[in-house]
Amino acid sequence: LAKTTQPISMDSYEGQEVNITCSHNNIATNDYITWYQQFPSQGPRFIIQGYKTKVTNEVASLFIPADRKSSTLSLPRVSLSDTAVYYCLVGDIPGEILSGGYNKLIFGAGTRLAVHP
Amino acid sequence: ETGVTQTPRHLVMGMTNKKSLKCEQHLGHNAMYWYKQSAKKPLELMFVYSLEERVENNSVPSRFSPECPNSSHLFLHLHTLQPEDSALYLCASSQGFADTQYFGPGTRLTVL
Repeated sequence: LAKTTQPISMDSYEGQEVNITCSHNNIATNDYITWYQQFPSQGPRFIIQGYKTKVTNEVASLFIPADRKSSTLSLPRVSLSDTAVYYCLVGDIPGEILSGGYNKLIFGAGTRLAVHP
Repeated sequence: ETGVTQTPRHLVMGMTNKKSLKCEQHLGHNAMYWYKQSAKKPLELMFVYSLEERVENNSVPSRFSPECPNSSHLFLHLHTLQPEDSALYLCASSQGFADTQYFGPGTRLTVL
């Protein structure tokens, strides 16, 4: 089963770029990388998903090196409202009821990001 | 708004009570999930339904009983809970099994 490792916590200041790295050394060929954001007492919210190289949307960018053993979530110019827990999940392609699929349902401890004024 | 609603948002119950949590998704998804999140802990997957067929996490105590009458509704029936069951219970749905999940706001449960 693919397992992810993230820093437990990070601190930043408003206006800075924040990069959160996730390690997934035993990622499988079919695995996608998905990031979620969770505010206190709310459900996680999907941020971004990728397979290789770089993915960008209106919220964040996801950088995945060629070996895919890690990925980096980049949040440009963070604000106080970006204070949250960020989760990295790795798992098989959607719709497949395989062991890899369950990985995409398993949330680790995540990275607790605190943005300061 | 994620298209997933949960009721009630807050629930306080005694250990001998029976209550139910309700989840409804308006996204046309085929998979639904229950998660438990205790204070300062990661989300724990409890139950999964894909095309209304249950895929169960065997470590969930029998005092939690899920029900999925159709692809839009998911219930979690609770009976004789323990104080350690106090947590945020989150429902999620996805287009297919293990696809990107959309979470509801959760039900904050307190067991006295």
